[in-house]
Amino acid sequence: GENVEQHPSTLSVQEGDSAVIKCTYSDSASNYFPWYKQELGKRPQLIIDIRSNVGEKKDQRIAVTLNKTAKHFSLHITETQPEDSAVYFCAASNQAGTALIFGKGTTLSVSS
Amino acid sequence: DTGVSQDPRHKITKRGQNVTFRCDPISEHNRLYWYRQTLGQGPEFLTYFQNEAQLEKSRLLSDRFSAERPKGSFSTLEIQRTEQGDSAMYLCASSLAFTSGELFFGEGSRLTVL
Repeated sequence: GENVEQHPSTLSVQEGDSAVIKCTYSDSASNYFPWYKQELGKRPQLIIDIRSNVGEKKDQRIAVTLNKTAKHFSLHITETQPEDSAVYFCAASNQAGTALIFGKGTTLSVSS
Repeated sequence: DTGVSQDPRHKITKRGQNVTFRCDPISEHNRLYWYRQTLGQGPEFLTYFQNEAQLEKSRLLSDRFSAERPKGSFSTLEIQRTEQGDSAMYLCASSLAFTSGELFFGEGSRLTVL
């Protein structure tokens, strides 16, 4: 089955800096790679996703890149703000049939 | 509120007791997922349904765990003979198959086994 590894487990940046979180996956059949944000005490919510036919996707200050050959994908947050502080999870699945498998999460702290 | 709802939100039980959680998905969603989350960890996949069919179950899931979705709407997750290691947040999520793939999570049911 799919296995998703996520690094780093914690990340501290200054407001305005960029943050990068990296994930690797094991199942070459996976074709859907979302990122979820979970604020303290709240439910995970989707922030961006990418499919295997695309190498990069941007949405304002966040972007995701995918390297299918190397089986890794990354989340990039530019111009970080204190409200970006949260736990971020990457995930992978084969949308046709398998469930979404999550990484262990990265706790991002943005200090002002 | 038309989101995913879970009940109860908190459950405290003694070791050895059985507990049952209920999840009501977003009404038009045909996929329903159960995950378990412990502090500092990502959601751990337990099982998922498409309509009433249980399509996948984690190989790591103990036989003490069982889930149903009898009419393809709400789902229940039962844990028999609870152990202290079962203490966790149990998250339910739903989605619409073959669309965006986004999972919509409920608030979760927190289980504490004493």
